[in-house]
Amino acid sequence: GAVVSQHPSRVICKSGTSVKIECRSLDFQATTMFWYRQFPKQSLMLMATSNEGSKATYEQGVEKDKFLINHASLTLSTLTVTSAHPEDSSFYICSAREPHRPPFSETQYFGPGTRLLVL
Amino acid sequence: DAKTTQPPSMDCAEGRAANLPCNHSTISGNEYVYWYRQIHSQGPQYIIHGLKNNETNEMASLIITEDRKSSTLILPHATLRDTAVYYCIVSKGAQKLVFGQGTRLTINP
Repeated sequence: GAVVSQHPSRVICKSGTSVKIECRSLDFQATTMFWYRQFPKQSLMLMATSNEGSKATYEQGVEKDKFLINHASLTLSTLTVTSAHPEDSSFYICSAREPHRPPFSETQYFGPGTRLLVL
Repeated sequence: DAKTTQPPSMDCAEGRAANLPCNHSTISGNEYVYWYRQIHSQGPQYIIHGLKNNETNEMASLIITEDRKSSTLILPHATLRDTAVYYCIVSKGAQKLVFGQGTRLTINP
């Protein structure tokens, strides 16, 4: 149990284009999903927290107009990197949590990550 | 959330027990200790978590000191596949996980 998938696993795009990354919880309902970013040789940094049906809460320094998050269902959240630039190249990882049902309420389960390269 | 301190790297021989320490001296009463690991180019994998009591599952054991200011993750019989970065995180119910630099554990044949 507690499987989280991401699609695509890697993507290469041209500067100025938008890229959408999907995060799905496969065997539980993820009321809350989180998006992280990880640059090479660095640790994970939380970008935003999203609750199903409401607006995402962004961490300080993360541009909400650049990183659009949609959490329209209990099993799917999407992150869209708008007008991507080379400095947005990174490893994007989502996680999911079901706050009301143990053991899924007690921790976050992570997806495999999406590697974005902007040329 | 309370901060944690971990050694930057450790080595362990294959087949031996790997003991990874973590200090969290400012932990508050309602904060859990979580352990995750990240194998290269993958998302973090949940290992175990605990509040006060020692915990054990199929992957590892978590030993928390009585004052809760430190803990140790034990991988009883380390294999080469256990080579990863191990993160010790203190959080209230996984509402927000703050990742530090972790411990890079290398299992040697």
